[in-house]
Amino acid sequence: AQKVTQAQTEISVVEKEDVTLDCVYETRDTTYYLFWYKQPPSGELVFLIRRNSFDEQNEISGRYSWNFQKSTSSFNFTITASQVVDSAVYFCALSENDSWGKLQFGAGTQVVVTP
Amino acid sequence: DVKVTQSSRYLVKRTGEKVFLECVQDMDHENMFWYRQDPGLGLRLIYFSYDVKMKEKGDIPEGYSVSREKKERFSLILESASTNQTSMYLCASSILGEGNQPQHFGDGTRLSIL
Repeated sequence: AQKVTQAQTEISVVEKEDVTLDCVYETRDTTYYLFWYKQPPSGELVFLIRRNSFDEQNEISGRYSWNFQKSTSSFNFTITASQVVDSAVYFCALSENDSWGKLQFGAGTQVVVTP
Repeated sequence: DVKVTQSSRYLVKRTGEKVFLECVQDMDHENMFWYRQDPGLGLRLIYFSYDVKMKEKGDIPEGYSVSREKKERFSLILESASTNQTSMYLCASSILGEGNQPQHFGDGTRLSIL
């Protein structure tokens, strides 16, 4: 069973619009880690954020923000005032405790930002 | 700066060939991973290694093997390539530390089996 669900296959926005990417996960562990990665057209996955299960504080980094809610098993990602350079595939991933850091990825969400 | 290098960006091979994909990291990381990426499926783990000569199966190991003779190098081997192994292959590494640390990825190898 898929442990990480990214229901949105593709989102298209016009520059300067906000875009929110949904991520829902499933685990029985009480200690786990959640990640977001960005994959631009060049192909390399770029690490964006790591969050452990005990830290439910929301995080903001520039135009990026993350909303972690354990009650709904969600770890959503918002890009504020999107730019063309934000066009990429974004992956949410789960790493369970004592798993050697293995990642279980969602299917990814393609974000297309047009000028 | 962190660097994971995969030997080829694009590779074309024929059915039945033995294929080697090489990955080298320069960060002295203990963990190394091989994933394949297919549309609509995200990344799926093939094999990983947490130490030299140690290897563990991931979610889809069938048809693949790996080798880790040196800490910095992790090779993925397709013993007898088949067309359903046409895919993007991504290598990653991470430090073995408290908590599950971020993985650093290479640029990927787009492999076509004809």
